[in-house]
Amino acid sequence: IAGITQAPTSQILAAGRRMTLRCTQDMRHNAMYWYRQDLGLGLRLIHYSNTAGTTGKGEVPDGYSVSRANTDDFPLTLASAVPSQTSVYFCASSESENQPQHFGDGTRLSIL
Amino acid sequence: GQNIDQPTEMTATEGAIVQINCTYQTSGFNGLFWYQQHAGEAPTFLSYNVLDGLEEKGRFSSFLSRSKGYSYLLLKELQMKDSASYLCAVRDRDYKLSFGAGTTVTVRA
Repeated sequence: IAGITQAPTSQILAAGRRMTLRCTQDMRHNAMYWYRQDLGLGLRLIHYSNTAGTTGKGEVPDGYSVSRANTDDFPLTLASAVPSQTSVYFCASSESENQPQHFGDGTRLSIL
Repeated sequence: GQNIDQPTEMTATEGAIVQINCTYQTSGFNGLFWYQQHAGEAPTFLSYNVLDGLEEKGRFSSFLSRSKGYSYLLLKELQMKDSASYLCAVRDRDYKLSFGAGTTVTVRA
């Protein structure tokens, strides 16, 4: 079934550790996005990529990095995790930047 | 930037109609989206408005007034499966989405 796959589904991580959240889509969508969702705050954009080879910063980029080496994959890395990064992380993609976004099932991350 | 407001919670009876309002302030409006999110699941796209007026899609309709910075999502003939959070999102000139905190709708029998 075509769509967006995120891994892991959930993770508990010690503060200070490095972590990469994976996101893969098989719809050949050009644009991809990473959001975090926190209670009472809604979804907030971390980083985005309008096409392979380019990335940009969203509303809350500090502490996170991304890469877009190809169309399908858009990993999100936490270089040194802190407890405030405990959240649900959603990856999304769209055919182009002006089309509706489609979301993966999310990664629930707890930093202790 | 964007400032998006929507009610936190709403409750309605099965078969009834519910209207979820969303107001926004933006430096560059380029469309408004509604998403549905069931607890523990991914948001799913419901509707999109870029021009003023009503867009109808089956039991769901969405309205936009750009001059008032206002939109609503109308859910008709409510079913139990419509219990979910409904997210209002505003797109800016750079095609980036800003989301409201969401409205949790509970449908009661």
